[in-house]
Amino acid sequence: QVQLVQSGAQVKKPESAVEVSCKASGGTFGSYAITWVRQAPGQGLEWMGGIIPVFGTTNYAQKFQGRVTITTDKSTGTAYMDLSSLRSEDTAVYYCARTTYYCDSGGCYYRNFDYWGQGTLVTVSS
Amino acid sequence: QSVLTQPPSVSAAPGQKVTISCSGSSSNIGNNYVSWYHQLPGTAPKLLIYDNDKRPSGIPDRFSGSKSGTSATLDITGLQTGDEADYYCGTWDSSLTSVVFGGGTKVTVL
Repeated sequence: QVQLVQSGAQVKKPESAVEVSCKASGGTFGSYAITWVRQAPGQGLEWMGGIIPVFGTTNYAQKFQGRVTITTDKSTGTAYMDLSSLRSEDTAVYYCARTTYYCDSGGCYYRNFDYWGQGTLVTVSS
Repeated sequence: QSVLTQPPSVSAAPGQKVTISCSGSSSNIGNNYVSWYHQLPGTAPKLLIYDNDKRPSGIPDRFSGSKSGTSATLDITGLQTGDEADYYCGTWDSSLTSVVFGGGTKVTVL
């Protein structure tokens, strides 16, 4: 049974940064990507970006370019999402998800999110 | 404003069928695989349909997906009270080079 276990809830001040971790059961991501999706209170799903650990390549949504960094530690099977310059609108539940992908001559594309972490609530408040 | 368009809500009586539409464009649905997720209140989303019309192990055949052109559809037959949830479609957008989701559809069982 695949499990992704995320770090706990955090409260952050505006303009600070947050790091959320996501550990894969079994300690490996295998041949999958890991992506991050957030959900503001009462709102829908918003894709932030992802990483393909075997290639070390990342994709970020344009909205978060320059503010988000996604990394993995393959030795521990843990993914990290760092978001900087926090503002109140960043208050949301942040999810990691194991992701299938496919690649062609144009690049790699994320496909399906088949397992999700339990979510991490990040509250930005002064 | 979501890139993919879904109706905000659909409803039907137990045992009936609901259809959720997901409309996009040639840069997303038209040329990429669509997946569907459902989300019960307070829980993480769960994969319901992948690659347009495939069900993961454990998902009953009451749930079916299809795609035609730049639109996708999720059908739920034999509606049950446990199906009350939010449903999202998602796909890759080749122009944006990012994953895009619909705004979500709330299914209510009357």
